[in-house]
Parts: sequence; C-alpha cells; structure tokens
Amino acid sequence: AQKITQTQPGMFVQEKEAVTLDCTYDTSDQSYGLFWYKQPSSGEMIFLIYQGSYDEQNATEGRYSLNFQKARKSANLVISASQLGDSAMYFCAMREGPAAGNKLTFGGGTRVLVKP
Amino acid sequence: EPEVTQTPSHQVTQMGQEVILRCVPISNHLYFYWYRQILGQKVEFLVSFYNNEISEKSEIFDDQFSVERPDGSNFTLKIRSTKLEDSAMYFCASSAPLGLAGGPVTGELFFGEGSRLTVL
Repeated sequence: AQKITQTQPGMFVQEKEAVTLDCTYDTSDQSYGLFWYKQPSSGEMIFLIYQGSYDEQNATEGRYSLNFQKARKSANLVISASQLGDSAMYFCAMREGPAAGNKLTFGGGTRVLVKP
Repeated sequence: EPEVTQTPSHQVTQMGQEVILRCVPISNHLYFYWYRQILGQKVEFLVSFYNNEISEKSEIFDDQFSVERPDGSNFTLKIRSTKLEDSAMYFCASSAPLGLAGGPVTGELFFGEGSRLTVL
C-alpha cells in the first residue's frame, strides 16, 4: 500500500485564487509528521509547511495552510492568493516515528500551473 | 542561512563507470540522507546515515551503491558501475537532532540543490 497518495497529477489555478492540493497518508504509528515541499522547475526542494500528528491546530505559514484531518488521514495543502511563482511541483511527505533521524516518504506529487 | 551543498550539479558518464556524488550537509546536523528522483517522477529514498553508519536503506540501494562520510564535512554517494536506469537527480539532505538550539523539532529535511546524473 502507498504510504502517501496524491491523487491530482496536475492542476490549473487562476492567479489570485486559492488552490487545495490533496494528500492522504497511511501509517499505524501514533507519532508522525507531515510535510509539504515545493519543487520549482529549477529542481530544488523547498520546505513549505509541517504538521505534527499531535498538533491540534492546523499549521499555517504565510499563504500556506495545512488542512489536517487526522481521522481521515488527510493533510491537504491550501495555497491562498496564488501567484505566478507558485507554479511548481508540490510533494506531500510523511515522517513515521519521532522526529530525530527518520526518513521522509514522498507522494507522487501534484504539478500546479498558475494562469495569469 | 546554512545550506546543504552538492557537487557536481550535473555529471554525464558512460554506462559501467563509477560515479561519486558529493554533499556537504549543514554543519551541526547529524542525520544524512540520499534521495533519487527519476525525471518527472516521485522522490525516492535511498539511504539514511547516522553516527558513521547506515541507519536505513531502501531496496533501490543495492550493492552497487555505497555511502561514506570520509571527513567531518563531506557525505558521498558512490555508484560503482552505473546503469542507464541510474540516470536521475540525486538529492542529499540532512536533518538536525531534537533539541538543537534554534533548530526545528519537526524532523524537517534540508535538501541540497541536487546532482543530475546522466548515464549514456
């Protein structure tokens, strides 16, 4: 079974609108973390936002927010007020177990194209 | 801001040749990783390294791969006899231990900009 599933291979979004990128995960660990990374066409991996499994509030970082629904095992990324520079590949990832030294497992990614 | 650096940014090699990809992790990090991304595909875990030994490896990380921390700063990935299917972007990453002053406690991985390997 896939640990991280991103069902949207690609999306178009109009500039200044909000977009939601879906991510579901599968783990039996009680302690885990969920991450979103952005990969622009230049190729680097840019950390966007983190949600811990015990965090009661949804994480927010500027225009990024994470809609964490633990019972559904989903961790959707919401980008508000999209900008042209948001056009990129977005990866959801999960760390199983406590924070120190555990690998991240990535989903297949969602390509976002922001239209002017 | 401290960053993970990787060299070379791009390497072209002939099938069967040995390749070494180099990484300098963030200086006070203790956990190091290599990931691979075949063009347009997902980012795949290869290996993690801690305290001078491999802590976990994936099924991709077979006998043709090895990692080493030859000194206090470098972390290398060696591919012994490259195959066409090894063509990919290779990312090095590092992470901080819990409780590191001023550091995140998320287990966030800090990635380098990647080394693109092309095997002909």
